[in-house]
Amino acid sequence: GENVEQHPSTLSVQEGDSAVIKCTYSDSASNYFPWYKQELGKRPQLIIDIRSNVGEKKDQRIAVTLNKTAKHFSLHITETQPEDSAVYFCAASRGGNEKLTFGTGTRLTIIP
Amino acid sequence: GAGVSQSPSNKVTEKGKDVELRCDPISGHTALYWYRQSLGQGLEFLIYFQGNSAPDKSGLPSDRFSAERTGGSVSTLTIQRTQQEDSAVYLCASSLGDEQYFGPGTRLTVT
Repeated sequence: GENVEQHPSTLSVQEGDSAVIKCTYSDSASNYFPWYKQELGKRPQLIIDIRSNVGEKKDQRIAVTLNKTAKHFSLHITETQPEDSAVYFCAASRGGNEKLTFGTGTRLTIIP
Repeated sequence: GAGVSQSPSNKVTEKGKDVELRCDPISGHTALYWYRQSLGQGLEFLIYFQGNSAPDKSGLPSDRFSAERTGGSVSTLTIQRTQQEDSAVYLCASSLGDEQYFGPGTRLTVT
């Protein structure tokens, strides 16, 4: 089955700087890669996703890149703000309503 | 519109008791998923339902766990003879396409 690894497990970034979280996956049939943000005690919220037919996607301060050959994808947050502090999870699936396999999460702390 | 809802929000039960957790998906979503999140951990897939197809039960940790989805909408996750290691937040999600939307979860504590 699919295995998703995520690094780093914790990340502290000065406000205004950029943050990068990286994930690798094992199943070459995976073609859908979402990122979720989870604040303490809250549900995971989908913040951005990418499908295998594109290499990069951007939404304001958030971007995701995908390298299918190397089987890795990354989340980039620019101009970080205190409200970006949360746990971020990457995930992978074969798409089409298939189950998600999640990484172990990255606790991002933005230092004011 | 209304998002995914789950009940109860919290459940404390004694070891050995059975519990039922409920999920109401977003109206019109054909797929429904159950995940489990232990304290400070990632999300672990349990089971999912897609339309009228047989459910994918490959993530259920033991035969004490079961789930059903009635009428293609509401789902119930049942844990029989609960154990302390069952303590976790149980999250439900639903989808129409690739994007899965999560409910607020049920925090289960087994004492």
